[in-house]
Amino acid sequence: KAGVTQTPRYLIKTRGQQVTLSCSPISGHRSVSWYQQTPGQGLQFLFEYFSETQRNKGNFPGRFSGRQFSNSRSEMNVSTLELGDSALYLCASSLVARYGNEQFFGPGTRLTVL
Amino acid sequence: GENVEQHPSTLSVQEGDSAVIKCTYSDSASNYFPWYKQELGKRPQLIIDIRSNVGEKKDQRIAVTLNKTAKHFSLHITETQPEDSAVYFCAVNYGGSQGNLIFGKGTKLSVKP
Repeated sequence: KAGVTQTPRYLIKTRGQQVTLSCSPISGHRSVSWYQQTPGQGLQFLFEYFSETQRNKGNFPGRFSGRQFSNSRSEMNVSTLELGDSALYLCASSLVARYGNEQFFGPGTRLTVL
Repeated sequence: GENVEQHPSTLSVQEGDSAVIKCTYSDSASNYFPWYKQELGKRPQLIIDIRSNVGEKKDQRIAVTLNKTAKHFSLHITETQPEDSAVYFCAVNYGGSQGNLIFGKGTKLSVKP
């Protein structure tokens, strides 16, 4: 099975712009979670989507949003970019289970905001 | 909200020695406790996980122990090798949820040959 893929891998934007990142989960996985990774804050949960619905949301401002399509692919959008949004954005997919289940991470999108 | 504390932040061991990393959490509803290894420039990869219905799990040189009463769990790596050098993250599923992992700040492990 192909792993989780993310596009683009690298992105450079300027303050005030918006950006859309894409994530394709492993075939058959219906849950997609997004994380922000920075040296200072580590890995922080953004949100999780399952069956096109946001199921969980982390503590990030409303500038961060996402969606999931019927084929489980997911996108996240960041509007009005700030310098502090520079980070590695990771998505992870997992099978649905009653309890927590293994999350497989994609390679990430490195976003740099100038 | 959930808080996961991970110690130590850096750990240096000699090849062949053991390494132990500890995490504590606050949410009693958490029931899934994975450990991830992240090498420089690469994605986090799951190395071992444990669910709340067991107290210990082992996979070759790696083991995880869980004490739900005390709300802490530990990663044990025996017979360390230079290729074990990486950053290790513990995590818990907040509120027992499926897709919401709360991560510790990470432990940078260096194994000296």
